Amino acid sequence: DTAVSQTPKYLVTQMGNDKSIKCEQNLGHDTMYWYKQDSKKFLKIMFSYNNKELIINETVPNRFSPKSPDKAHLNLHINSLELGDSAVYFCASSQVEAGELFFGEGSRLTVL
Amino acid sequence: AQSVTQPDIHITVSEGASLELRCNYSYGATPYLFWYVQSPGQGLQLLLKYFSGDTLVQGIKGFEAEFKRSQSSFNLRKPSVHWSDAAEYFCVRSNFGNEKLTFGTGTRLTIIP
Repeated sequence: DTAVSQTPKYLVTQMGNDKSIKCEQNLGHDTMYWYKQDSKKFLKIMFSYNNKELIINETVPNRFSPKSPDKAHLNLHINSLELGDSAVYFCASSQVEAGELFFGEGSRLTVL
Repeated sequence: AQSVTQPDIHITVSEGASLELRCNYSYGATPYLFWYVQSPGQGLQLLLKYFSGDTLVQGIKGFEAEFKRSQSSFNLRKPSVHWSDAAEYFCVRSNFGNEKLTFGTGTRLTIIP
């Protein structure tokens, strides 16, 4: 069983489109995260949810909207995609905030 | 603001040789420190972590790291690398009670035969 799973793994789309990435964890963790990894491998936190409540919202454009229907799921919706949104997006979860992270395999988004 | 510095962007090591990856963290409250590894096309996996206690911590895959408060360092070591160790390595810190983890910029490890 995959602990943290994200779909889709690859996403290629045109500028201006809207897309979503889904994440599910079966570890029973309370905290989930979205990270963005750029082309230089730099990882930056975007959002953190604890038990469905938004905890961290970094300086991310409001075109990005996370949604957590329950504590096992954290989805990421992106409106009006731009070229600069091309990156690998990682979902992660942890039992406690700032504790060990368990990562999904990433979703590579390419905006043309 | 807390920060993590990995001075080496890319390191090349011969298979069987020893390895040390450097990590320095900014001074602040007692840090929690982690090393993660990212194999090509994969997510990140925890190698080891330091919260308190023994400053030499053992991790998976034969890795270890030593916390040195006086040098603000948490260097990762392995006595003999294997070709499968080729990956990107990230040093990460957080503070007790702080939800945010700060990632270093990563060190890419290449293994040559």
